[in-house]
Amino acid sequence: DTAVSQTPKYLVTQMGNDKSIKCEQNLGHDTMYWYKQDSKKFLKIMFSYNNKELIINETVPNRFSPKSPDKAHLNLHINSLELGDSAVYFCASSQDANSYNEQFFGPGTRLTVL
Amino acid sequence: DQQVKQNSPSLSVQEGRISILNCDYTNSMFDYFLWYKKYPAEGPTFLISISSIKDKNEDGRFTVFLNKSAKHLSLHIVPSQPGDSAVYFCAASVRSNYQLIWGAGTKLIIKP
Repeated sequence: DTAVSQTPKYLVTQMGNDKSIKCEQNLGHDTMYWYKQDSKKFLKIMFSYNNKELIINETVPNRFSPKSPDKAHLNLHINSLELGDSAVYFCASSQDANSYNEQFFGPGTRLTVL
Repeated sequence: DQQVKQNSPSLSVQEGRISILNCDYTNSMFDYFLWYKKYPAEGPTFLISISSIKDKNEDGRFTVFLNKSAKHLSLHIVPSQPGDSAVYFCAASVRSNYQLIWGAGTKLIIKP
């Protein structure tokens, strides 16, 4: 009974392709996040949605576009993939947008761009 | 601009002894700090947190200490167990901001 799930777990693709990563949470949370863990292992916030409204939009190339069709889903679409996009992408959710709240993470999607 | 620093990439500790993981921060506006634990091929999971109005918070084998004047916090695990082997992330936030700022993590290895 997975709380935060992501698909796919692994994604290998060629430069220039367009790909999507899906995320779903069954915790009834209002807020969802996308993080990127780069080669230096830092977790960097990319986007956050609260009740389907974008509240965090960090300096990320506009090739990355999040979409939240409802509170339980936050998908990440990436256009024209580049080598530097290779990383592990984590989805997370929390009860609300208060940064004090515990965040629940998915297992991650390892993206490799060749 | 690394606002949250975990200067030890890894730490090896004998089973049963104390593990001490350190975290330094530069932003004096941070008022809440969290520790997360991460196993390979899994997402981070919340471990323990502390508000800036406290200097210590304890939960079972885990204790977090906060030294605001030094802008330093530490996580103590006593006694260390094999299942504690994981990467530990320190994260900090400002109440008025929605986001967490994360350190790079420290890999803890518990030796039998």
